[in-house]
Amino acid sequence: GAVVSQHPSRVICKSGTSVKIECRSLDFQATTMFWYRQFPKKSLMLMATSNEGSKATYEQGVEKDKFLINHASLTLSTLTVTSAHPEDSSFYICSARDMDSTDTQYFGPGTRLTVL
Amino acid sequence: GDSVTQMEGPVTLSEEAFLTINCTYTATGYPSLFWYVQYPGEGLQLLLKATKADDKGSNKGFEATYRKETTSFHLEKGSVQVSDSAVYFCALSSNTNAGKSTFGDGTTLTVKP
Repeated sequence: GAVVSQHPSRVICKSGTSVKIECRSLDFQATTMFWYRQFPKKSLMLMATSNEGSKATYEQGVEKDKFLINHASLTLSTLTVTSAHPEDSSFYICSARDMDSTDTQYFGPGTRLTVL
Repeated sequence: GDSVTQMEGPVTLSEEAFLTINCTYTATGYPSLFWYVQYPGEGLQLLLKATKADDKGSNKGFEATYRKETTSFHLEKGSVQVSDSAVYFCALSSNTNAGKSTFGDGTTLTVKP
C-alpha cells in the first residue's frame, strides 16, 4: 500500500530556532500534500495544502510566514516552523494524495515538536 | 460548509463485544467517506472507505455502509479485540471543497480483556 514517511519523528528545540519537517511519499507520486496540526485529544486541524511546483494554500488563521511550506518534487514536501515558540509545540501530521486517486489521503506517522 | 459529527467517546468495551461508532455528515455534492484509525503516538491509518451511496467499506472485521438517505457512515465490528483500542476518525472528502478532507472529532475506543 501507499506509504508516507515523516522525518524527524520527534524534535525538541529551543525557543527562537527554526525546525524543518519532511514529508515523503515513498512508493507513489503526490501532486498534493496536506499539513495538519493535532492538539492532545483533539481532531486534526488542516494548516495548508501543498501543491507541487506552486505556492501552498494556507487555511484561515495560519501564518504563512511562520509555517513555511515547500513542495519541491512529487515525493517531498517540507514544513518549516520559523522562530518556534512553546505554543508551537504540537503533533504535526502530513498526508499525501496519490496522483491516481482524487479522494484518498495517506498519512505520515507524525512529528512531535516540543519547543522549550 | 462540510461537517462530520461522530459519536462522543470515550467508548469502553469488553473483548468480543459488538462495536458501533456513529458518524453523520453534511456535505454539498457527493463526498467520499472514510474511517481512519490512530494508535497512540502515531499518524492516521486508513481503515476503510466508500465512494458512493450504498457502498460498503470493510477491512479487518470493520464495516461501514454509505447511507445517503440518512447521511451516515456508522462503523461496526462484530467482535472487538484489545488490539482495536485506538482513536477512530470519520472523515469525508468532497471535490467541491478542493479535495480537502473534513474530520470528525474522533472517538476513543478502549477494549478491556
